[in-house]
Amino acid sequence: ETAVFQTPNYHVTQVGNEVSFNCKQTLGHDTMYWYKQDSKKLLKIMFSYNNKQLIVNETVPRRFSPQSSDKAHLNLRIKSVEPEDSAVYLCASSYGTVNTEVFFGKGTRLTVV
Amino acid sequence: GDKVKQSPSALSLQEGTNSALRCNFSIAATTVQWFLQNPRGSLINLFYLVPGTKENGRLKSTFNSKESYSTLHIRDAQLEDSGTYFCAAENMGYKLTFGTGTSLLVDP
Repeated sequence: ETAVFQTPNYHVTQVGNEVSFNCKQTLGHDTMYWYKQDSKKLLKIMFSYNNKQLIVNETVPRRFSPQSSDKAHLNLRIKSVEPEDSAVYLCASSYGTVNTEVFFGKGTRLTVV
Repeated sequence: GDKVKQSPSALSLQEGTNSALRCNFSIAATTVQWFLQNPRGSLINLFYLVPGTKENGRLKSTFNSKESYSTLHIRDAQLEDSGTYFCAAENMGYKLTFGTGTSLLVDP
C-alpha cells in the first residue's frame, strides 16, 4: 500500500481553468517532489521541496506553482491550464535529498479539453 | 531521456523465460532505482542500488558506476511481470533522471 497519497486520481477540465492537486506522505520524509509523465511515458522532475523549502525548480511554465504547508504536504496548482498540460502528475517523497530512495504516489491524470 | 538510455524499448517474453533490461548513463550516476509501472499507473519500487548487485526473488539488478550502466534481470517471467520498467539515476542529488522505459509483455 502506497504511503504517498494523491488526490484526485483523475481530473478533466477546460483550457484556461485553474486546477489544484494534493499530495500527502506519511513516511516521515522531509523531501517531496512533483514529476510530470507525458503521453510518451517520459518522466521529468518539475519541483523538489526539502522541509518546505523549494530546492529544485526545473524549467516549467510560470502557471505551475507548488505549495507546501508542511513537510508532509506538497500541492501543485496550475493557473490557466493549456492543452499541453494534459499528463500524469506524480508526487514523490524521500528521506533527505542525496543518495536516498524515492517513493511515488499513484499519480493524478489531467486531461485538458 | 538522453542522459539515461534504456534498452530495449519494448520486449515480449514467453512465460517462464528469462531476459535482461539495460540502462546506460551519460551522467555520473551515484545511485540507481528500478521501478515497474503497472497498468494502473503506479510506480512500484523494485531496487535501490549503490554500485553493486541486489537480488529479490526472480529479479536481480546490478549497478556498475565505473562503466556507467545498470541491468535488471528477470528470471522465469510471469504474466504479472508485464508493465513498463523504468530505471532512474541520481546524479547530484535532489532529483532522479529517468530512462525512457521498457514496455514488457509476458505471454502465456
